[in-house]
Amino acid sequence: SAVISQKPSRDICQRGTSLTIQCQVDSQVTMMFWYRQQPGQSLTLIATANQGSEATYESGFVIDKFPISRPNLTFSTLTVSNMSPEDSSIYLCSVVGDNEKLFFGSGTQLSVL
Amino acid sequence: AQSVTQPDIHITVSEGASLELRCNYSYGATPYLFWYVQSPGQGLQLLLKYFSGDTLVQGIKGFEAEFKRSQSSFNLRKPSVHWSDAAEYFCAVRGGGSNYKLTFGKGTLLTVNP
Repeated sequence: SAVISQKPSRDICQRGTSLTIQCQVDSQVTMMFWYRQQPGQSLTLIATANQGSEATYESGFVIDKFPISRPNLTFSTLTVSNMSPEDSSIYLCSVVGDNEKLFFGSGTQLSVL
Repeated sequence: AQSVTQPDIHITVSEGASLELRCNYSYGATPYLFWYVQSPGQGLQLLLKYFSGDTLVQGIKGFEAEFKRSQSSFNLRKPSVHWSDAAEYFCAVRGGGSNYKLTFGKGTLLTVNP
């Protein structure tokens, strides 16, 4: 199974600022995914990040708000830009591991004041 | 479009009792189905998956799930619940091939009474 490390594990941020979340995987993976889990809600896919190409965003999510980098096969970042209290969520990265299983990081709990 | 319904928002069982968590899905073709568990402050851990073959799949921690195509269901079961099973459980579906987008249900919160 893939081991995924996310940083930071939690943060409290001020409105209008930006936060960059890092996701490091212990093996090379082609596809990485970023999900959002709003309080009391299920997980929603934000975007798919493949190395060497632009991220593909789901409906309702835009690159200006959630820019993503994927510089190599083991690392990705998600930035939450110009934050508002509505962005308070858990953000999780995910990768496709062996046998097509999807593994998740432990998440970043973001609170925006 | 694919979707997942978990009808039970919150379930409470006594330790040692049996457990069944319901999951209904909507997908146009043969789905890939998953159950994940999320403990407080933790990420998601994969309990089990169904891609094809035997419709009764075994997972970790003593969990199993049965795929019933006629009912569009993939219910999770455990014969005897332990206090450590208290967590939130998510059912998810995706398509086959290179479509890895997971659609999650809203989750079922499991409380275990001593």
